Amino acid sequence: AQSVTQPDIHITVSEGASLELRCNYSYGATPYLFWYVQSPGQGLQLLLKYFSGDTLVQGIKGFEAEFKRSQSSFNLRKPSVHWSDAAEYFCAAQRAGSYQLTFGKGTKLSVIP
Amino acid sequence: GAGVSQTPSNKVTEKGKYVELRCDPISGHTALYWYRQSLGQGPEFLIYFQGTGAADDSGLPNDRFFAVRPEGSVSTLKIQRTERGDSAVYLCASSPQGTGELFFGEGSRLTVL
Repeated sequence: AQSVTQPDIHITVSEGASLELRCNYSYGATPYLFWYVQSPGQGLQLLLKYFSGDTLVQGIKGFEAEFKRSQSSFNLRKPSVHWSDAAEYFCAAQRAGSYQLTFGKGTKLSVIP
Repeated sequence: GAGVSQTPSNKVTEKGKYVELRCDPISGHTALYWYRQSLGQGPEFLIYFQGTGAADDSGLPNDRFFAVRPEGSVSTLKIQRTERGDSAVYLCASSPQGTGELFFGEGSRLTVL
C-alpha cells in the first residue's frame, strides 16, 4: 500500500539553528512529493513540490527539500529557523495520474527563543 | 476574500443527526477536494471534483457521506446519521487543475456528541 512516513512527531529547535524534517515514502514508482505547513488558525500552505528533474527543490520561506531515490526520502531543511516557523509540517505524495494526496501524520515544530 | 472559504468553522451535533458542510473555492478553480483530518493524523482524501462531477469518490468512508458541486463552484459535504467517529476537521481545497498546488481552507471542525 502507498504510504508516507514522518518518523518525528515533535521536534524542538532553538531559533537560529538549522532544521531537518524527515519524510519517507513507499510507492511502486516515484510519486510527486510535497511539503505543506499548517499554522494555527490557517489552512495548509504549500511550501514546495517535486515532480522530476533537479533533486534539490527550493520553496517559500527559505525552505528547501532534497529528493533521494535510493532512500525513498524527501527531507525538508532550513538553514536558520525563525520563531514564526513554529507550526505543523506535513509531507505528502501523489501517484502520477492520480488526484489523491497521501499525507504523513505530520511533525510539530516548536522553536525556542 | 480570495482564499477557500469553509462554513461553519465549528459544528457540534448529536449522534444520528444530519450535517452539511460548505466549501466556497477560489474563483476560477475547476478542481475541488475534500479531506478529513482526525486528531494527530494527516489529512485523508475523501473526494475530488473536476467541474460539477465527482471524478474520484473512492475516499468516502461509507454511504452516509455524500458530496455535491452542482454548478461547478460551491460544494457541500453531507453526512447522514452522524456517528462519534465522524468527529474530525473537514478540509476543503481547490486548484486551477488536477495536480500541483492545492489551496486549502481553514476547515470545518465537526464534533459529534
